[in-house]
Amino acid sequence: DAKTTQPNSMESNEEEPVHLPCNHSTISGTDYIHWYRQLPSQGPEYVIHGLTSNVNNRMASLAIAEDRKSSTLILHRATLRDAAVYYCILSGIFGGTSYGKLTFGQGTILTVHP
Amino acid sequence: DGGITQSPKYLFRKEGQNVTLSCEQNLNHDAMYWYRQDPGQGLRLIYYSQIVNDFQKGDIAEGYSVSREKKESFPLTVTSAQKNPTAFYLCASSPSTGHMNTEAFFGQGTRLTVV
Repeated sequence: DAKTTQPNSMESNEEEPVHLPCNHSTISGTDYIHWYRQLPSQGPEYVIHGLTSNVNNRMASLAIAEDRKSSTLILHRATLRDAAVYYCILSGIFGGTSYGKLTFGQGTILTVHP
Repeated sequence: DGGITQSPKYLFRKEGQNVTLSCEQNLNHDAMYWYRQDPGQGLRLIYYSQIVNDFQKGDIAEGYSVSREKKESFPLTVTSAQKNPTAFYLCASSPSTGHMNTEAFFGQGTRLTVV
């Protein structure tokens, strides 16, 4: 499975932008890049996903490098509620079937200071 | 409200006992998954199911069993063969099983403690 590399932790101040990086140098052409976040003792929450082009939604933006070997999740104005573990995940073919699975790494712990 | 429900939130069992964790979704999703999470770690896939009456092993299936008799239900049994069952268990579902070009929805998890 293609793997992702993220910093263990990052810090930000409230109302400032946050750029969370992710490296995925072994990504295949069919892998989608997903971002989820998880609060303590809760299930992960979908944030955004993309394939090649940059993506925007109400929660965040996803900037994907032209060679697709890295991506950046952008939170435009961090709030205290954005403090969580952020996972960058690649989804692709599993077991020779058309099934896609999400393989979670350890993620980045984001701390937001008031 | 549509969603995915796991029960119970906390579960305690004695060593050597089998225990079944419940997962129900009313999102009409085809695919369902079970993950395990240990403290400070990411999620690891235990089992997944693409359709009723069919399921496949994930990365850490040993000591676990599942069934998929109904589209909306995907219970996980932690058997006595699982050597380290104490963990946070998460169930998820998604609309399709293609390249996961869709959003997966997660339950709130069941924290299992075996003593």
